[in-house]
Amino acid sequence: AQSVSQHNHHVILSEAASLELGCNYSYGGTVNLFWYVQYPGQHLQLLLKYFSGDPLVKGIKGFEAEFIKSKFSFNLRKPSVQWSDTAEYFCAVNPGSGGYNKLIFGAGTRLAVHP
Amino acid sequence: EPEVTQTPSHQVTQMGQEVILRCVPISNHLYFYWYRQILGQKVEFLVSFYNNEISEKSEIFDDQFSVERPDGSNFTLKIRSTKLEDSAMYFCASSDERGEYNEQFFGPGTRLTVL
Repeated sequence: AQSVSQHNHHVILSEAASLELGCNYSYGGTVNLFWYVQYPGQHLQLLLKYFSGDPLVKGIKGFEAEFIKSKFSFNLRKPSVQWSDTAEYFCAVNPGSGGYNKLIFGAGTRLAVHP
Repeated sequence: EPEVTQTPSHQVTQMGQEVILRCVPISNHLYFYWYRQILGQKVEFLVSFYNNEISEKSEIFDDQFSVERPDGSNFTLKIRSTKLEDSAMYFCASSDERGEYNEQFFGPGTRLTVL
């Protein structure tokens, strides 16, 4: 069955620390990959997405992610986190083409950044 | 910036009652989705809707669930006879692209509590 795994459920960092959140998916075909963020009390917002081309994608707020096809991974990174990055981060996969396709979400990683 | 809206933000109901959750997708979008997130669990796909019919539904989306686009702006999720296990946050999403550009925009969610 198609699934998305996020390895870290809770991450605690100090400001200016570097961040890497792991995401692996199980699907052999063409996939579209996303990272969504949910700030406290707010709705899911798109951080970045990968459809094709350069496997290193840059998103909003200094986030980037690297698609490694051979590892079925799409890890999220940020070189220096801020307190305002405290949120829950969700990796999601859209398995294949078709505008009506579902997103399969990982369990989420709750990030707490301390000043 | 256009956004997906949902009403109500919180719905409390008795077991066995019918509930209707409402969503107004972004106006030029063609593809509509419902997801749910039970407290502490993953965001799960329920159903996708395109061209006035269901495109795909998950195992969760049984006969107790239905979706409708009653007019040109609203998209509703009905649960005919609620169960305790239907308590969750329900997210509506919409997208305007088919195929590989399936970026979904999420609403703020409706928290459904079944007593």
